[in-house]
Amino acid sequence: DTEVTQTPKHLVMGMTNKKSLKCEQHMGHRAMYWYKQKAKKPPELMFVYSYEKLSINESVPSRFSPECPNSSLLNLHLHALQPEDSALYLCASSLSRESRNEQFFGPGTRLTVL
Amino acid sequence: GENVEQHPSTLSVQEGDSAVIKCTYSDSASNYFPWYKQELGKRPQLIIDIRSNVGEKKDQRIAVTLNKTAKHFSLHITETQPEDSAVYFCAASRGGGGNKLTFGTGTQLKVEL
Repeated sequence: DTEVTQTPKHLVMGMTNKKSLKCEQHMGHRAMYWYKQKAKKPPELMFVYSYEKLSINESVPSRFSPECPNSSLLNLHLHALQPEDSALYLCASSLSRESRNEQFFGPGTRLTVL
Repeated sequence: GENVEQHPSTLSVQEGDSAVIKCTYSDSASNYFPWYKQELGKRPQLIIDIRSNVGEKKDQRIAVTLNKTAKHFSLHITETQPEDSAVYFCAASRGGGGNKLTFGTGTQLKVEL
């Protein structure tokens, strides 16, 4: 398996809902990432997990809560989101070597917050 | 932190012509420079990358050059085809797994018939 997969593809939620985004890879990558991408903008890093431990949090609001249950899975738990959080949420993964750190992206979850 | 500037924001070329997109970075410790292509509604796709120990890398119609002294790198696409139409993002990182990729603002490339 040479791809990063994400579910769901689309998600519509109200501001009081709790939902989760899921990401999975079976390439043996030990670094996994969450990005947020607004229309016509570049991906913006949110979180990095390295060997299942949170290593980077780009000052993301606490209504976004990441989780890495094992080396193949990455979740993003959402609670009390705002309409401005509507965006494409991309997961990526990479090896954790100095010379092999190419990041590969999943197809994303298109999130709409009403 | 790292800052990556990318130009132009839009680029229109005739099929068969070449396209060049340029990026500059600010962090002299950055040593990994990937380029991503993103078609509408699709994921960013890694098309080529270069590391700071190399000045140029080529893969068929795509090439990337790096000038560490000037802190800039460029993407060159030759013999452009309509399917090259997409948004292209450059990025920079300090390398190693689990490090932050800082993206440029993107270039919308349109290849006209």
